Amino acid sequence: DSGVTQTPKHLITATGQRVTLRCSPRSGDLSVYWYQQSLDQGLQFLIQYYNGEERAKGNILERFSAQQFPDLHSELNLSSLELGDSALYFCASSVFGTGLYNEQFFGPGTRLTVL
Amino acid sequence: ELKVEQNPLFLSMQEGKNYTIYCNYSTTSDRLYWYRQDPGKSLESLFVLLSNGAVKQEGRLMASLDTKARLSTLHITAAVHDLSATYFCAVGVQGGSEKLVFGKGTKLTVNP
Repeated sequence: DSGVTQTPKHLITATGQRVTLRCSPRSGDLSVYWYQQSLDQGLQFLIQYYNGEERAKGNILERFSAQQFPDLHSELNLSSLELGDSALYFCASSVFGTGLYNEQFFGPGTRLTVL
Repeated sequence: ELKVEQNPLFLSMQEGKNYTIYCNYSTTSDRLYWYRQDPGKSLESLFVLLSNGAVKQEGRLMASLDTKARLSTLHITAAVHDLSATYFCAVGVQGGSEKLVFGKGTKLTVNP
């Protein structure tokens, strides 16, 4: 158990809908990262927040957005869902925003199925 | 743009045998990570390699890093069934964030 929690574990929804995935980082960690894992794209970095501020952006679609709240938990919002958005979404956390000794610890993931 | 290439992508081996998984990356980085993933599960951190020549061992797994060759290896010694999983290498992008770029993963199956 990494100490990173994600809810829900599974989510089944229909095309066109909007969902929110939630992540609580390990105690003391200031950075939160979101990754998407799908069969065709593999594991891809979506976005990073550090202490409430967006730090880095990866291959995140415009239909997706994220935020980090004052208590450091983060939410990933996915809207106008398409079949291709079905994937495992991981949240990771680390102590710092960057630096050599800044290992990321991964949560259990949320499996999203879009029908 | 940083690219990470792992090979082989699939590896079927017999218990007791040795094998090596390779991870090549395209641009300079000072941090490389190996993760294990069981089906439907999260990523479990195996090794953190932060300097050229770094070698770390845990049980039957040993990881090394050659930053000049931009190559990391994960060596499996005397494989056992419990090592069956998918192994990912991930390289940290330097400068400003800790974004990780992952290889496609190596699905390892150890047969009795």
